[in-house]
Amino acid sequence: QVQLQESGPGLVKPSETLSLTCTVSGDSISHYYWSWIRQSPGKGLEWIGFIHYSGIANYNPSLRGRVIISLDTSNSQFSLKLSSMTAADTAVYYCVREYYSFDFWGQGTLVTVSS
Amino acid sequence: EIVLTQSPGTLSLSPGERATLSCRASQSVSDNYFAWFQQKRGQAPRLLIYGVSSRATGIPDRFSGSGSGTDFTLTISRLEPDDFAMYYCAHYGASPRTFGQGTKVDIK
Repeated sequence: QVQLQESGPGLVKPSETLSLTCTVSGDSISHYYWSWIRQSPGKGLEWIGFIHYSGIANYNPSLRGRVIISLDTSNSQFSLKLSSMTAADTAVYYCVREYYSFDFWGQGTLVTVSS
Repeated sequence: EIVLTQSPGTLSLSPGERATLSCRASQSVSDNYFAWFQQKRGQAPRLLIYGVSSRATGIPDRFSGSGSGTDFTLTISRLEPDDFAMYYCAHYGASPRTFGQGTKVDIK
């Protein structure tokens, strides 16, 4: 059974960069697409972007160049960096496998943006 | 970007009743890359249906999906107590992937 686990800070200051890591177990990270999705009360579920095991990444244009997703196959991890954080970025962040659609999700981690 | 609009916003039904949830896309969804998810409070979404009508592993057959092009439906044939939750549609065939705003199925 595939398992995903997010890790990172729960609190980020405005204008700082959020860094989250997802650790994948139970399957090889060297397949599939690996996505980040977030959920806030005001905006529902929002796809942030994905990275393919080949290294190709694709991002939501709504994030206007603030996002980078990277892959570390040696540690079975993929990561999210989101810069210039504001209160509007407060959300639960999920890491997700995309094969049969978004078929396996992490439990999610709440990130609050506040000074 | 494909905008997904779900209706109704809330569906109030009793256990044993049939639930019909709709999702309309602003443009045609390519290659049937369309899915439905269930989410309970405090939990991550769970994949129910992918490819418009294929049930994900472990999903009971009372859940079924149908549709094509821009109009899609999730049907729960006989609601069980565990089915009262939020439901979201999504497409994943193009970027950006997008989700509907959700339909809440609650107990009447």
